[in-house]
Amino acid sequence: DVKVTQSSRYLVKRTGEKVFLECVQDMDHENMFWYRQDPGLGLRLIYFSYDVKMKEKGDIPEGYSVSREKKERFSLILESASTNQTSMYLCASRGHQNTEAFFGQGTRLTVV
Amino acid sequence: AQKITQTQPGMFVQEKEAVTLDCTYDTSDPSYGLFWYKQPSSGEMIFLIYQGSYDQQNATEGRYSLNFQKARKSANLVISASQLGDSAMYFCAIENSGNTPLVFGKGTRLSVIA
Repeated sequence: DVKVTQSSRYLVKRTGEKVFLECVQDMDHENMFWYRQDPGLGLRLIYFSYDVKMKEKGDIPEGYSVSREKKERFSLILESASTNQTSMYLCASRGHQNTEAFFGQGTRLTVV
Repeated sequence: AQKITQTQPGMFVQEKEAVTLDCTYDTSDPSYGLFWYKQPSSGEMIFLIYQGSYDQQNATEGRYSLNFQKARKSANLVISASQLGDSAMYFCAIENSGNTPLVFGKGTRLSVIA
């Protein structure tokens, strides 16, 4: 069974902390994505990666960075967490165009 | 840039009835793909159905079908014989050619009433 696994389901962090959200896929997919989901706003793309060590900014990259050192792992980093980054974060991977993206279970992050 | 519009924030449907969830899109790329996902309250995103811009037939997957009207730039999801388990958020998404990321709409919350 194909899988995208996010390291935490729920996370509570303090303002100013550095936060790491980890995502691992076991499908040998080249493409990986980080989305943020907020009520009434749908899913918005933060960053994506087409290959190891490669990254591209999405629609809302400010305040975030990413790392992809291995094909199966794509990490989202909040350099200095702020309360407006409280949200649901969804990681996804995809093999190639015209195929569906597979999503992780999501990480609900609360910054206090 | 491509864009998805889902104009129905919430919908109600009686169990066993059919329901249509609206999705319109905007893109200048002649080659694109349209996706529908379901998100139950548990949070996971479940892929439902895909339609390619050059597909001649409307896509169908079990109780899900896609009413694809290319000239109108609409790709509405039709769920037949609604079940209580269909209560969820539904997202429409588009990808352009060139292996671009999926762009999602804001979603429609469907509630199925017994």
